[in-house]
Amino acid sequence: EVQLVESGGGLVQPGGSLRLSCAASGFTFSSYWMSWVRQAPGKGLEWVANIKQDGSEKYYVDSVKGRFTISRDNAKNSLYLQMNSLRAEDTAVYYCARESTMIVDLFDYWGQGTLVTVSS
Amino acid sequence: EIVMTQSPATLSVSPGERATLSCRASQSVSSNLAWYQQKPGQAPRLLIYGASTRATGIPARFSGSGSGTEFTLTISSLQSEDFAVYYCQQYNNWPPHFGGGTKVEIK
Repeated sequence: EVQLVESGGGLVQPGGSLRLSCAASGFTFSSYWMSWVRQAPGKGLEWVANIKQDGSEKYYVDSVKGRFTISRDNAKNSLYLQMNSLRAEDTAVYYCARESTMIVDLFDYWGQGTLVTVSS
Repeated sequence: EIVMTQSPATLSVSPGERATLSCRASQSVSSNLAWYQQKPGQAPRLLIYGASTRATGIPARFSGSGSGTEFTLTISSLQSEDFAVYYCQQYNNWPPHFGGGTKVEIK
């Protein structure tokens, strides 16, 4: 069974940093592109970043470029999102999502999410 | 960037009735369109991809149609577990974009 479990969310002040983790199991993690998708409270879904199987390619939505860094450790079956210079508008539930092996940018499995709140 | 617009924002339907949800893209996305279901407090679940292909384990009462810029998700006979928010998403152009969602509520 595919499982994605996020952790690392919490309350942080504006300008602060947070590192999110996603532990993957039930599939060959190193064979898949992986993404982070976020959802502000009461709002819709926004793709944030993704990373290729070997970590050689990374892409970001414009609003987080230069502040967020996506990474992965295939030996640990883990995905990460380092978030720096956090802003109030980054407040959201952050989901780890697996991309379909056949179709990049199609999200076939999602974790339950971790809440990040940026507030003073 | 491609903007995805869903309508209506809220759809009130009685159990057993048919629900029809719409999604429009600001430019053609071919058939590279997916639908997701999200229940309160839960992660989204992939329902449909390729505009009309059901994902693994998705019941046949869910069907998708359309291509280019106009898409439809139809739930043929609403069950209690189908009341949720539905999102469309294009993956034809980078970056992937989601629509604003349609909430299907009990009438």
